[in-house]
Amino acid sequence: ETGVTQTPRHLVMGMTNKKSLKCEQHLGHNAMYWYKQSAKKPLELMFVYNFKEQTENNSVPSRFSPECPNSSHLFLHLHTLQPEDSALYLCASSHWGDTQYFGPGTRLTVL
Amino acid sequence: EDKVVQSPLSLVVHEGDTVTLNCSYEVTNFRSLLWYKQEKKAPTFLFMLTSSGIEKKSGRLSSILDKKELSSILNITATQTGDSAIYLCAASINAGGTSYGKLTFGQGTILTVHP
Repeated sequence: ETGVTQTPRHLVMGMTNKKSLKCEQHLGHNAMYWYKQSAKKPLELMFVYNFKEQTENNSVPSRFSPECPNSSHLFLHLHTLQPEDSALYLCASSHWGDTQYFGPGTRLTVL
Repeated sequence: EDKVVQSPLSLVVHEGDTVTLNCSYEVTNFRSLLWYKQEKKAPTFLFMLTSSGIEKKSGRLSSILDKKELSSILNITATQTGDSAIYLCAASINAGGTSYGKLTFGQGTILTVHP
């Protein structure tokens, strides 16, 4: 256990569905991150939130909508996704610029 | 564009062997080099390296950074089947001052250790 939890662990959705991924960190960290891990590709940074303000958006399509209500919680709202969005979505947190600790991820399948 | 390259992409060894995994990076505003081990889902942290030439060790694992060569190696001695995993290397860059870091990951090295 790294102190970062994610729910759900698995999600199957159709292209017209709306769903949300949740991440919670119990480490008192100030920064939270969303990453996408697709088969045969490096982990890709999607968004960064620092003290609950979005500071990085790595050219992510608008069908992915992040939300950070406080420094401990991070959401990724999904709507009208495409099959190529199927991947492992990982959340991480860090204390200032130090080591990032990852959650277990949500395995997303878009049909 | 920031880039991290790992080699080899995959490696198959037998228990007891020693392996060396390589990572090279080209990034702006380099802060540190991190190694992670990913078995099933969450990458778990192994090492963070900021200073060149200083080896970090944890049990059978060790790692060192060479800032002149923009590279790092991860050594695993006396490998065990439990070492089978994907080993990820990431370069952290300064962003937003020092309040958070941005990681650029390599493709990973898939290590398989046979009994």
